[in-house]
Amino acid sequence: ETGVTQTPRHLVMGMTNKKSLKCEQHLGHNAMYWYKQSAKKPLELMFVYSLEERVENNSVPSRFSPECPNSSHLFLHLHTLQPEDSALYLCASSQDGGGRRTEAFFGQGTRLTVV
Amino acid sequence: LAKTTQPISMDSYEGQEVNITCSHNNIATNDYITWYQQFPSQGPRFIIQGYKTKVTNEVASLFIPADRKSSTLSLPRVSLSDTAVYYCLVARMDSSYKLIFGSGTRLLVRP
Repeated sequence: ETGVTQTPRHLVMGMTNKKSLKCEQHLGHNAMYWYKQSAKKPLELMFVYSLEERVENNSVPSRFSPECPNSSHLFLHLHTLQPEDSALYLCASSQDGGGRRTEAFFGQGTRLTVV
Repeated sequence: LAKTTQPISMDSYEGQEVNITCSHNNIATNDYITWYQQFPSQGPRFIIQGYKTKVTNEVASLFIPADRKSSTLSLPRVSLSDTAVYYCLVARMDSSYKLIFGSGTRLLVRP
């Protein structure tokens, strides 16, 4: 238990579906991240939110839409995905303050399969 | 961001000490060195972080020479459950810090 909870753990969706991934952190952190990990590839940073503002968007296709309603919750809205979007999606959080950022704590991930 | 180079894979046996070395020749003055561990289908887990010399916690030790161009993660007396991918990351720990992962080192611990 890392203090970062992701739901669902597994998701199968069709290319025309709309779904959302949820992440909740119970650590009091103020920065949250989405990563994508495809098979046999390094983790790819997708989005970074700090103090509920998006501060990083690593050229992610618009079919992925993040939302950070408050510092404890992060969503990734998915629509019209492609089979190559199948991957493990990981959420993480850390604490920004005093010019410093702490190490990140990761959730267990959502295994997404697009059919 | 400083580029890191680490072995793709390593094999060890239970009870042995494992040392994984990471090269980061262009590390900047404000950069810290951080190691993460990842099991299959799980998120990475923070192991240890250091700036210079030696850092030790209940899980591992991190050795950093004076020039800081490399670092060595030391896992004492590994067990089968230490089989995982280990990532070395180098970056400033300020608010612009971005955790960028490389390919990591896949450690296999055999009985």
